[in-house]
Amino acid sequence: DTGVSQDPRHKITKRGQNVTFRCDPISEHNRLYWYRQTLGQGPEFLTYFQNEAQLEKSRLLSDRFSAERPKGSFSTLEIQRTEQGDSAMYLCASSLGDPRVRETQYFGPGTRLLVL
Amino acid sequence: DAKTTQPTSMDCAEGRAANLPCNHSTISGNEYVYWYRQIHSQGPQYIIHGLKNNETNEMASLIITEDRKSSTLILPHATLRDTAVYYCIVRGETSGSRLTFGEGTQLTVNP
Repeated sequence: DTGVSQDPRHKITKRGQNVTFRCDPISEHNRLYWYRQTLGQGPEFLTYFQNEAQLEKSRLLSDRFSAERPKGSFSTLEIQRTEQGDSAMYLCASSLGDPRVRETQYFGPGTRLLVL
Repeated sequence: DAKTTQPTSMDCAEGRAANLPCNHSTISGNEYVYWYRQIHSQGPQYIIHGLKNNETNEMASLIITEDRKSSTLILPHATLRDTAVYYCIVRGETSGSRLTFGEGTQLTVNP
């Protein structure tokens, strides 16, 4: 399968613990995005990378959240000191990153987080 | 990005065409209309996008009105597997790279 992959697919943790999610984009894609989706709502943008550079962060991305893409390939999203309000689906998407064409983002299956 | 308005839910009979409307009356000249869908517990799936002209691909057709204030996504022969939440998104060049999702339309295809 050559689509966007995410790991783990499900994560249950206790309040106060740290969690880390991984996203592997489509191999030739330079841009990588993170979104969060709570029950009954559409996905909300968190941040995106062009290669290894983090170019934009949403106000939703509090200090407890950090995202990295160290080699411009896979990305990790870490949540420190999780809170029950962090329970959500965390979605990753990727796109080519060619400024000459309008970008289409392709999404992974998501990581569903439950904070107890 | 322009705000979009979609019905909360719609039903369609299997084998019939599903026509999903979207209102984007504040759309500006350089903004595109994108459609994604999300089947339960999966990531959003890209369907189609367009600027002014009608577009068709293997999944669907997109009809954009001449004034561009509304559009319709058409699934010509809906199947049970088309049951999903359908999101209409307006995206311009000044929005950076983010997609701004609304709450979408829950389409239920009935046997």
